[in-house]
Amino acid sequence: GAVVSQHPSWVICKSGTSVKIECRSLDFQATTMFWYRQFPKQSLMLMATSNEGSKATYEQGVEKDKFLINHASLTLSTLTVTSAHPEDSSFYICSASYRGEAFFGQGTRLTVV
Amino acid sequence: QKEVEQDPGPLSVPEGAIVSLNCTYSNSAFQYFMWYRQYSRKGPELLMYTYSSGNKEDGRFTAQVDKSSKYISLFIRDSQPSDSATYLCAMKWRAGSYQLTFGKGTKLSVIP
Repeated sequence: GAVVSQHPSWVICKSGTSVKIECRSLDFQATTMFWYRQFPKQSLMLMATSNEGSKATYEQGVEKDKFLINHASLTLSTLTVTSAHPEDSSFYICSASYRGEAFFGQGTRLTVV
Repeated sequence: QKEVEQDPGPLSVPEGAIVSLNCTYSNSAFQYFMWYRQYSRKGPELLMYTYSSGNKEDGRFTAQVDKSSKYISLFIRDSQPSDSATYLCAMKWRAGSYQLTFGKGTKLSVIP
């Protein structure tokens, strides 16, 4: 199966700083990747769709200036949480589609203190 | 009313039991249905992918879809402690669509 790798697995940062999360498709090319956020005991909520070589498409209510997405190559998308605040603490998961199926990264646990 | 409803549990069963997990949905446009397993602090992994109403079996797992009732189920036979995880149902409108709508997930614990 297709492998999606996400890095880092967990990160702790100070309030006001920025954090970058990487999502890589290891054995396939992904023109489209997705970023989700998952709060405890809640479902995965789609934040944005990342398209290689073009601007990301954000879901309603997601601040595009706060959650910067860059999909510069067919195997890498990055999510940068800018000026992070404690309420941004969550589990962030990326996914990429391969042959019609969605494959997920391991997730990144972000804690903002 | 949310598009996809799933009882979050938690659900605890003894080892060897048959587990039944369910989701209901309100949007009849959903045509493709998936079940994902998510271990703690990990990303979801695809377990089952179904389209038509009826049953699909894969080892100890059986996915059931009833489009007329807008109801899907996942059955786990001979449950094992290693099955302890959160199970998420997910749906989409088109085969070529990459956007999924997820349920909240049901946390399952299989007790040895």
